[in-house]
Amino acid sequence: GNSVTQMEGPVTLSEEAFLTINCTYTATGYPSLFWYVQYPGEGLQLLLKATKADDKGSNKGFEATYRKETTSFHLEKGSVQVSDSAVYFCALSDRDSSASKIIFGSGTRLSIRP
Amino acid sequence: DSGVTQTPKHLITATGQRVTLRCSPRSGDLSVYWYQQSLDQGLQFLIQYYNGEERAKGNILERFSAQQFPDLHSELNLSSLELGDSALYFCASSPRVASGAYEQYFGPGTRLTVT
Repeated sequence: GNSVTQMEGPVTLSEEAFLTINCTYTATGYPSLFWYVQYPGEGLQLLLKATKADDKGSNKGFEATYRKETTSFHLEKGSVQVSDSAVYFCALSDRDSSASKIIFGSGTRLSIRP
Repeated sequence: DSGVTQTPKHLITATGQRVTLRCSPRSGDLSVYWYQQSLDQGLQFLIQYYNGEERAKGNILERFSAQQFPDLHSELNLSSLELGDSALYFCASSPRVASGAYEQYFGPGTRLTVT
């Protein structure tokens, strides 16, 4: 079945450091890929998405490129801020499914030191 | 603000009891999803409704049930509660059920504590 694997946390970085959170997926067909972010005490928010191979999703300085050949969707940011501290979830949605269920990775907790 | 509302924000109850969690989707969204988030199990999909009909089931226990009403709000009923049911319960909505390209918008969650 479809699945998402993302790097385990927690990840701790200093402010202005470069961030990469790895995500790989297993899916039949052509899924859409997402990154969601959960700030402390809040629900999940869609951060960015990509719906086909080679698409790049971007938002708030974060980006991720849909790589079909490596089945990956790694999240990157060039210079992180303390306010980026949150849990990040990689996810996929099977467009061929009659129900648009989203499958989430286990989440990666990111902490940024001032 | 995602536009999805959930009530109550917090709920504390005893083992064996029954509770109802409520969700109102974003205006115009027909699909509602319920998720359970616990420390040891991560984010688990429970069930999906589309325009009043059940469309997909995930890891939902038999003690749990849900429904979606004509005004599209949804309720998740949890009965015979156990300590292990303590978790955050999220509702999400999306515009359509067909085509997996549609992202979901999450509510702020209901934190359930079973004592």
